[in-house]
Amino acid sequence: NAGVTQTPKFRILKIGQSMTLQCTQDMNHNYMYWYRQDPGMGLKLIYYSVGAGITDKGEVPNGYNVSRSTTEDFPLRLELAAPSQTSVYFCASSWDTQGRGQPQHFGDGTRLSIL
Amino acid sequence: AQSVAQPEDQVNVAEGNPLTVKCTYSVSGNPYLFWYVQYPNRGLQFLLKYITGDNLVKGSYGFEAEFNKSQTSFHLKKPSALVSDSALYFCAAGLMNTGFQKLVFGTGTRLLVSP
Repeated sequence: NAGVTQTPKFRILKIGQSMTLQCTQDMNHNYMYWYRQDPGMGLKLIYYSVGAGITDKGEVPNGYNVSRSTTEDFPLRLELAAPSQTSVYFCASSWDTQGRGQPQHFGDGTRLSIL
Repeated sequence: AQSVAQPEDQVNVAEGNPLTVKCTYSVSGNPYLFWYVQYPNRGLQFLLKYITGDNLVKGSYGFEAEFNKSQTSFHLKKPSALVSDSALYFCAAGLMNTGFQKLVFGTGTRLLVSP
């Protein structure tokens, strides 16, 4: 059981380039999330999805876009990379809403540097 | 607004000694609370959660946490630390509800267990 798989693990981008961070889960979870982790800042929610075809903004959505065409996949798109988007990005999934106390399962992250 | 505070950036403890990692929360209602652990270059792993019931919650790898409503705290504890417990620990809180609720993470506490 692979859980949550993120690709790529590392990437260096130039300012203004675009890329897609991939995230796939094989647990049939309805809820999926994208976070960014910056040193000393904890995790900040970028976008989330409550099911296929349904997405919504989190705390820090500017500069990012998402889509959810299937239950399994939740890609994160950076259209015009900026140095402020240098971070570690984590994808997570959960079975049900956090209001019912279901823990999130995390991928191992994508380390993105923008130069 | 919900918030989570982890007042210590780093906790140092000798192997075999008890450890405590502190967490306080602020939510306007009944909280649910999580502890996650992050090892280098890995995603967050769920340790334990508090939803309702007993104030002492037991989790993975011998960890436990005590919920204290009057002090709005949820400290992580272990009776006897192992060198392999060295990692980054995150406390997270959310508001219990039937709808989707965003999880708020603390900034993390690095635990260093010396041999």
